[in-house]
This record gives sequence, C-alpha cells and structure tokens, in this order.
Amino acid sequence: AQSVTQPDIHITVSEGASLELRCNYSYGATPYLFWYVQSPGQGLQLLLKYFSGDTLVQGIKGFEAEFKRSQSSFNLRKPSVHWSDAAEYFCAVGHRTNFGNEKLTFGTGTRLTIIP
Amino acid sequence: DAGVIQSPRHEVTEMGQEVTLRCKPISGHNSLFWYRQTMMRGLELLIYFNNNVPIDDSGMPEDRFSAKMPNASFSTLKIQPSEPRDSAVYFCASSPRDRARGYTFGSGTRLTVV
Repeated sequence: AQSVTQPDIHITVSEGASLELRCNYSYGATPYLFWYVQSPGQGLQLLLKYFSGDTLVQGIKGFEAEFKRSQSSFNLRKPSVHWSDAAEYFCAVGHRTNFGNEKLTFGTGTRLTIIP
Repeated sequence: DAGVIQSPRHEVTEMGQEVTLRCKPISGHNSLFWYRQTMMRGLELLIYFNNNVPIDDSGMPEDRFSAKMPNASFSTLKIQPSEPRDSAVYFCASSPRDRARGYTFGSGTRLTVV
C-alpha cells in the first residue's frame, strides 16, 4: 500500500528566506504526487502535481517541487517566502482507481510559520 | 463555479444525537470523497463514490457512520449515535475523470460532540 512521510511537523522560516518541505513516499509503481496547502479554517488547495515527464514541476504561488525517484522524494520549495505562505502543507500520493481518477493518501502535514 | 459546498460549517451536538453532514460536489465531477481530519490521525479517507456508487468504504470507522449519494449533486455523511471521539473536521472533495486535475476540497465541517 502507498504511504507518505512528512518528517517535519513544524518549520519556522523568516520572511524572504528560502523554504524546503520534505516528503517521502512509498509506492510500488510510478507515483502520482501532489502538494496541497491548507490555510486556517479552510479546505485544501492544490499547489502542484507530478505525473510524468520533467521532474521539476511548477505550481501556484511561486512554489516548485522536484521528483527524485532514487530518493523516493518529492520536496516542495520556494525561493523566498511571504507571510501569507504561513499554512499547513500536505504531500499526497495517488493510486489510480479503475474509474480513471485518483485515490489520494496524505502525509501528516507540515505546519509552516513565518517570522518577520 | 462555486466549488465544493459543505454544510454546516460548524456543528455542536450532544453525545448520542444523530449528525448529518452535507456536500455538494462540483458539477461534472464523477468522484466524491469524504475525509476526516484530526490532530492525532491527520487526514483519513472515510469513503469514496464514483458515479454516485460507493466504491470503497473501508475507512469508515464503524457502523455508526454511513454515507449516501442519492444523485450526482448531493452526498451526506451521517453519524448515529455520535460520540465525543467523532469530534473532527470532515472534508468533502470531488474530482473529475481527468486525473490530472486532482481533487477540489470543500471548506469542511467542524464537528464537536460534547
């Protein structure tokens, strides 16, 4: 069965600094990988996804992630964080159903705090 | 597009009462998912539907939980009787057949059972 590990429960970064959130997955085949962001009191919003092809994928809000098969990782990065990036970030791996869409398994999340 | 709509946003109920959570998926999406989010267990998939048919309910914690999708535009998650340990945020999400588009989540229902 697929699984996702986000080793960092909480990360604090200064505004303007770079960010990397770690994600490791376990999946028997080529994974479909996702990053979602959850602001307080809100649902999850899709940041970016990897299906195939270029291993560096660009997402919304200036985020990017790199798929590294050899390390079973899909880390999320941003070169310069803004105070509005403070939120909870979830990595997910998808398992294709027989109906053409994905059944997602989520990691436990990483809470990002931004300090001035 | 109004997105995935969940109601109510907040629900406080007494132990033993029946609770019904509602979800309206995005028009045209063929799959609907119910998730529960708690501090201890994170995001757990409870059940998902495809074309209104329940496909996998292995995540439903026990018989007190039931879910229905009578048509393509409406789903309910019912807890009867409710218990304090059911307190959590319940999310509904929908997705189209095109797997590249991922899920769209609702804003969730925060359930508190006292």
